[in-house]
Amino acid sequence: GENVEQHPSTLSVQEGDSAVIKCTYSDSASNYFPWYKQELGKGPQLIIDIRSNVGEKKDQRIAVTLNKTAKHFSLHITETQPEDSAVYFCAATGGSQGNLIFGKGTKLSVKP
Amino acid sequence: KAGVTQTPRYLIKTRGQQVTLSCSPISGHRSVSWYQQTPGQGLQFLFEYFSETQRNKGNFPGRFSGRQFSNSRSEMNVSTLELGDSALYLCASSPQRESTDTQYFGPGTRLTVL
Repeated sequence: GENVEQHPSTLSVQEGDSAVIKCTYSDSASNYFPWYKQELGKGPQLIIDIRSNVGEKKDQRIAVTLNKTAKHFSLHITETQPEDSAVYFCAATGGSQGNLIFGKGTKLSVKP
Repeated sequence: KAGVTQTPRYLIKTRGQQVTLSCSPISGHRSVSWYQQTPGQGLQFLFEYFSETQRNKGNFPGRFSGRQFSNSRSEMNVSTLELGDSALYLCASSPQRESTDTQYFGPGTRLTVL
């Protein structure tokens, strides 16, 4: 079945620096790749997503890139702020089932 | 629009009991999916309901079941609770059941099994 691997598991950056989180997926039929942010005590919140017909998407300080040939996609956060501290999850869907398969998460800490 | 709501937010049960969790999707959304989140296994797909029918199921034992009502609200049930069922149970809704539909998550129900 589909498998999504996410790296790193923890990431610590200084405020103002950039943060990059990378994910790989196994099912070449996957066609939708969302990123979620989860804060303590809350459910995952969608921050950006990309569909397989697009290579890059940007929303203010957040960008996602997709390389379908290599089956990997990445989240880029620029000018990080302390409120960006949270756990970030990548996911992939599509193929025969269509449900979301999540990576294990990255705990991002932004130090002021 | 109101977001996805889940009730109750917290539950404490003992081994062997059963539990029912409820999810109200975003208005107009017809697909509801359930996920289990644990520190060890992360977020794992339980099942998906659309038009009152289970369309997709993850790799969980038959003790985990669910249903969806005509107004798209969904419930999930866990029977004969085990300690390992302690987890955050998340519900997500999407407009249809296209694989590219965005799924919006609720705050979850924290289940503790003693």
